[in-house]
Amino acid sequence: EAGVAQSPRYKIIEKRQSVAFWCNPISGHATLYWYQQILGQGPKLLIQFQNNGVVDDSQLPKDRFSAERLKGVDSTLKIQPAKLEDSAVYLCASSRIRSGDIQYFGAGTRLSVL
Amino acid sequence: GQQLNQSPQSMFIQEGEDVSMNCTSSSIFNTWLWYKQDPGEGPVLLIALYKAGELTSNGRLTAQFGITRKDSFLNISASIPSDVGIYFCAGLIKAAGNKLTFGGGTRVLVKP
Repeated sequence: EAGVAQSPRYKIIEKRQSVAFWCNPISGHATLYWYQQILGQGPKLLIQFQNNGVVDDSQLPKDRFSAERLKGVDSTLKIQPAKLEDSAVYLCASSRIRSGDIQYFGAGTRLSVL
Repeated sequence: GQQLNQSPQSMFIQEGEDVSMNCTSSSIFNTWLWYKQDPGEGPVLLIALYKAGELTSNGRLTAQFGITRKDSFLNISASIPSDVGIYFCAGLIKAAGNKLTFGGGTRVLVKP
């Protein structure tokens, strides 16, 4: 079965610009997660979707970050405007059921904000 | 929020050695997971633990879910060069909406 697909793999932008990341979860996985992984740290959950509804976005900086999963499959994460501290790897994960225990991760998008 | 303290932060291995790392928390977890992350890739699940006291193996990897449900350890026996990478523990609490909390990672490097 195909894994979690993410694009782009790398993105370099200047501060105050906007950027968007795309994720296609494993087929049939109802739950989708976006994580931020700063260099040298473990992943930190930004937002969790169950189908096309938000389950948890308590850690999402909503003044600049937004995410959607309109049809309950693909998802996009947007940052507008970007700050230097947003430089990180953005990981998408999906799981079959809402329990969230077995999450399968994509390769991530490495964002550098200059 | 929940915090997982993972140690050591980094370690050097020599081929053939056994390696141990652990994760502790002040919170009780329902599930413990161990992931490995290679450079430029996302974390890959190694072992999942669901019950206190559970001991599970996956090839040369062995992990245990602590009796108190507040800790877990991972052992790698007879290490080989491809064991190099970053190992993350992750804990899940059902009452917290099944959110996964990650430790800071253990970076495994090869002795020069």
